[in-house]
Amino acid sequence: GAGVSQTPSNKVTEKGKYVELRCDPISGHTALYWYRQSLGQGPEFLIYFQGTGAADDSGLPNDRFFAVRPEGSVSTLKIQRTERGDSAVYLCASSSTLTSPLHFGNGTRLTVT
Amino acid sequence: KNEVEQSPQNLTAQEGEFITINCSYSVGISALHWLQQHPGGGIVSLFMLSSGKKKHGRLIATINIQEKHSSLHITASHPRDSAVYICAVLNTGNQFYFGTGTSLTVIP
Repeated sequence: GAGVSQTPSNKVTEKGKYVELRCDPISGHTALYWYRQSLGQGPEFLIYFQGTGAADDSGLPNDRFFAVRPEGSVSTLKIQRTERGDSAVYLCASSSTLTSPLHFGNGTRLTVT
Repeated sequence: KNEVEQSPQNLTAQEGEFITINCSYSVGISALHWLQQHPGGGIVSLFMLSSGKKKHGRLIATINIQEKHSSLHITASHPRDSAVYICAVLNTGNQFYFGTGTSLTVIP
């Protein structure tokens, strides 16, 4: 069956540009999470959704980062005025409930030049 | 201070050895996850625990809630087990915290 799908798999952008990263969770999974992982580090929590609402966005590093999930399925992570420090792999995961196993996508590798 | 600490950071073992990776955490948790990440690959969930012990093939995960500690054991290790193993906890506030991972290399 289809797993968590993230697009694009790679994104190279110039400093100052706007980017959108997309996550298609497993159908029926109500919980969706965004993380980012820098080289040699463990994943860092950014935000999670329960249905359409952002249940916890405390991990977003600053107001340049924003995420939406308007219909409770696909989510988009938006980064404005990108900086070189934003370069990382952005991971999405979904689960049927908060205490169910996580299913991860393959991530989007973002490089800001 | 990290909410989740893993040890060791790096581990090299001979094929067939019994391996233990440890995870200690400082927050109250609803669940603890053990994840596996292969080089250049995605992350796979191995276990989700809230108490006791779980076993899947050669992998065993245990958790001691009172001591705030979990272990991942691999029996009869194999080169294909080489990966980064990550411990993640869901705290009672529904926030996830991740360890920095244990990089395991199993030599034939």
